[in-house]
Amino acid sequence: DADVTQTPRNRITKTGKRIMLECSQTKGHDRMYWYRQDPGLGLRLIYYSFDVKDINKGEISDGYSVSRQAQAKFSLSLESAIPNQTALYFCATEDRLTGELFFGEGSRLTVL
Amino acid sequence: ELKVEQNPLFLSMQEGKNYTIYCNYSTTSDRLYWYRQDPGKSLESLFVLLSNGAVKQEGRLMASLDTKARLSTLHITAAVHDLSATYFCAVDLFYNAGGTSYGKLTFGQGTILTVHP
Repeated sequence: DADVTQTPRNRITKTGKRIMLECSQTKGHDRMYWYRQDPGLGLRLIYYSFDVKDINKGEISDGYSVSRQAQAKFSLSLESAIPNQTALYFCATEDRLTGELFFGEGSRLTVL
Repeated sequence: ELKVEQNPLFLSMQEGKNYTIYCNYSTTSDRLYWYRQDPGKSLESLFVLLSNGAVKQEGRLMASLDTKARLSTLHITAAVHDLSATYFCAVDLFYNAGGTSYGKLTFGQGTILTVHP
């Protein structure tokens, strides 16, 4: 089983719908991240959380919200999806000593 | 604002050849990471470079970090088809708070490497 698990892996939805992407991890890391990947733009940080009580905005947080339900769970929500939120979304955890990130398999979201 | 730029963005190589991917970044950082991504897949950690002059090697790949020049290189030796993938560098604005990472990696655009027979 993967150390960082994302659900769903693929989702097609319509403009205006609410969508939640879920992430769970078994690595025991405190720090978790949500990134978005678009072709030619690398990965851009949406939100991050350093522990259960800590939530921080990344560089592209508009239109997104997150919830850290437990050390192992970090969810990303799109309250009202729009087509330019079509992308590949990655959850990651961080090894605090080295800063190395460990990524989930990704969630491909298409907003029509 | 930290900017991370990779060069080239597209690289087509013949098997057996050598080449280098460059990663430049715009502000002081002691930490740099290289990741590999196969099409439609997740990102896999290749190298963690934690100090100036760090050099790491794994198979046909070797990564180095020059923090004074704000430059990292990923050198490919005698390329093989299995190395075809997208390679990302990422930089950490390291903050020395109790020896732990500041977090929040900034990624380059990625280099799409294709190795031909």
